Amino acid sequence: DTGVSQDPRHKITKRGQNVTFRCDPISEHNRLYWYRQTLGQGPEFLTYFQNEAQLEKSRLLSDRFSAERPKGSFSTLEIQRTEQGDSAMYLCASTQLGQITDTQYFGPGTRLTVL
Amino acid sequence: GDSVTQMEGPVTLSEEAFLTINCTYTATGYPSLFWYVQYPGEGLQLLLKATKADDKGSNKGFEATYRKETTSFHLEKGSVQVSDSAVYFCALSGPLMNRDDKIIFGKGTRLHILP
Repeated sequence: DTGVSQDPRHKITKRGQNVTFRCDPISEHNRLYWYRQTLGQGPEFLTYFQNEAQLEKSRLLSDRFSAERPKGSFSTLEIQRTEQGDSAMYLCASTQLGQITDTQYFGPGTRLTVL
Repeated sequence: GDSVTQMEGPVTLSEEAFLTINCTYTATGYPSLFWYVQYPGEGLQLLLKATKADDKGSNKGFEATYRKETTSFHLEKGSVQVSDSAVYFCALSGPLMNRDDKIIFGKGTRLHILP
């Protein structure tokens, strides 16, 4: 168990470009969550998967955002036509549904800066 | 909708002082309550949690009691250390084993401990 990992840790891009982030959850965790954290704020829920199924999407997730978890393991979050307002820390978390505990384990995050 | 309100920071204390960070919540039903901590340059870590009324969560000298009558989950520590300097987030999620257990976070409270 190596924890939740995210790649890249930092991404600087120009407005209008597409970016993709990857999250590797704790192995065998069947639930995976994406959150966004802007400066001075707490994380806000974006979407989550149970295995490969995307079960809920926040209204924060505009149609420029898409997330996948094709084999129920790692997940990707893509932002198309980035805007300066997309600059934030993108956090991934995972948990195992069915355990007594409902603890979500967070990765270190990907910090996105849109110029 | 569900929400969390916590005291604004920054909070600055001297080493060995008593710490209280206030947190209140609004939720339907019986949520699980959490305190997460984010140390400089690190990811979110679960500090403690409580899943039902009157439960006390504790870890690393920190404590918080789930008070349903006042909808509060205040964080306390009897004697803080410089190493406790971090941002603390109060949070809630649906009841244990809820189908939809995304976490709702407060805005965070930055804590500075002076030697």
